[in-house]
Amino acid sequence: QQQVKQSPQSLIVQKGGISIINCAYENTAFDYFPWYQQFPGKGPALLIAIRPDVSEKKEGRFTISFNKSAKQFSLHIMDSQPGDSATYFCAASISAGNMLTFGGGTRLMVKP
Amino acid sequence: KAGVTQTPRYLIKTRGQQVTLSCSPISGHRSVSWYQQTPGQGLQFLFEYFSETQRNKGNFPGRFSGRQFSNSRSEMNVSTLELGDSALYLCASSGRQGNTEAFFGQGTRLTVV
Repeated sequence: QQQVKQSPQSLIVQKGGISIINCAYENTAFDYFPWYQQFPGKGPALLIAIRPDVSEKKEGRFTISFNKSAKQFSLHIMDSQPGDSATYFCAASISAGNMLTFGGGTRLMVKP
Repeated sequence: KAGVTQTPRYLIKTRGQQVTLSCSPISGHRSVSWYQQTPGQGLQFLFEYFSETQRNKGNFPGRFSGRQFSNSRSEMNVSTLELGDSALYLCASSGRQGNTEAFFGQGTRLTVV
């Protein structure tokens, strides 16, 4: 049973545009929500993470929006650049451990 | 500060064989988690070790096992390999247990033929 659903599966954005990736979770016990970026041949790299006590967190061009009542969270990439072209994964975990449940991934392509 | 190191980077094994993968976490990190990444199933949690104890285990058959040593280095073993075990196996280390940043290695690409 997939506990974290991610959409879209793929996304094409023009350079300078906004990339938006959405995730929905089912388990209300989740209390940590990170986003990872993965380039081909590399392991996932942590981009930004949020906990449910805040509704938004911004780091540079990356922003997480969190809606606890809807059990949804999203990643916004402002001023998208070709170097942002990668696969993005949302994830969730429970404070008891470091077991991450990942979404299915979104392949982002930013066209120059 | 060195990152998470996984060895080997690539492996080709035959069905029925067994394989051992190694992970050296970031210095000072005590938590090591393993994940399997495949195109069909995505990233799936295998198990987590903290201070040499398995804390969590994912939904994988008993052919998948692991251990952690006193220096926090970890190994995972897959016995009686099946074609479906072909995947990228990723190791992640964290400074402590629970809701902390997990840093991934580059993975070991296992191909079972």
